[in-house]
Amino acid sequence: ETGVTQTPRHLVMGMTNKKSLKCEQHLGHNAMYWYKQSAKKPLELMFVYNFKEQTENNSVPSRFSPECPNSSHLFLHLHTLQPEDSALYLCASSPTESSYEQYFGPGTRLTVT
Amino acid sequence: DQQVKQNSPSLSVQEGRISILNCDYTNSMFDYFLWYKKYPAEGPTFLISISSIKDKNEDGRFTVFLNKSAKHLSLHIVPSQPGDSAVYFCAAKGGTGSARQLTFGSGTQLTVLP
Repeated sequence: ETGVTQTPRHLVMGMTNKKSLKCEQHLGHNAMYWYKQSAKKPLELMFVYNFKEQTENNSVPSRFSPECPNSSHLFLHLHTLQPEDSALYLCASSPTESSYEQYFGPGTRLTVT
Repeated sequence: DQQVKQNSPSLSVQEGRISILNCDYTNSMFDYFLWYKKYPAEGPTFLISISSIKDKNEDGRFTVFLNKSAKHLSLHIVPSQPGDSAVYFCAAKGGTGSARQLTFGSGTQLTVLP
């Protein structure tokens, strides 16, 4: 595997379910990011991890819980989501948080029913 | 309040012609600007960037122009090809404060007609 991978690619979940999104980067980077992309809207930064430490939480509701066990892996744990949370969730990585260019995974298309 | 704005949600261009995608920003702390391209079912991929110390950067068919006084940048694609059809995102970043994270525009859907 190369680059940034995300699983699953598609996820349908009910509002009472608990699920997790997984991201893995094979680029040797030390910063990882979660973004949310809703239709016709800019990518919204959710969380930033730099050397496994969370450095940014962009006022994200607590029903989204990130986890970064090491510099290569990033999870987004989901519970009691709302239909308006349906979106494309993108993971990205960069050499460090101060780097300008980020490399994105293909995203997880989440539908909350 | 969006700090990076792409006011044209869509653009259609004939194959072989020039495509010009525009982007405006408000945060004067931004000092680096990037364009990403996104195909359906894929993540955004980096296309071209420019530092605020330059006003033009060229890479093959792609050229980015930066007008700092107007807080405006544009991406020129010439000649446009059908494979260029995608959503193009403008993004900006600075070193500190409110600009330290990459901020994206809402994207422009480019369609190149054969």
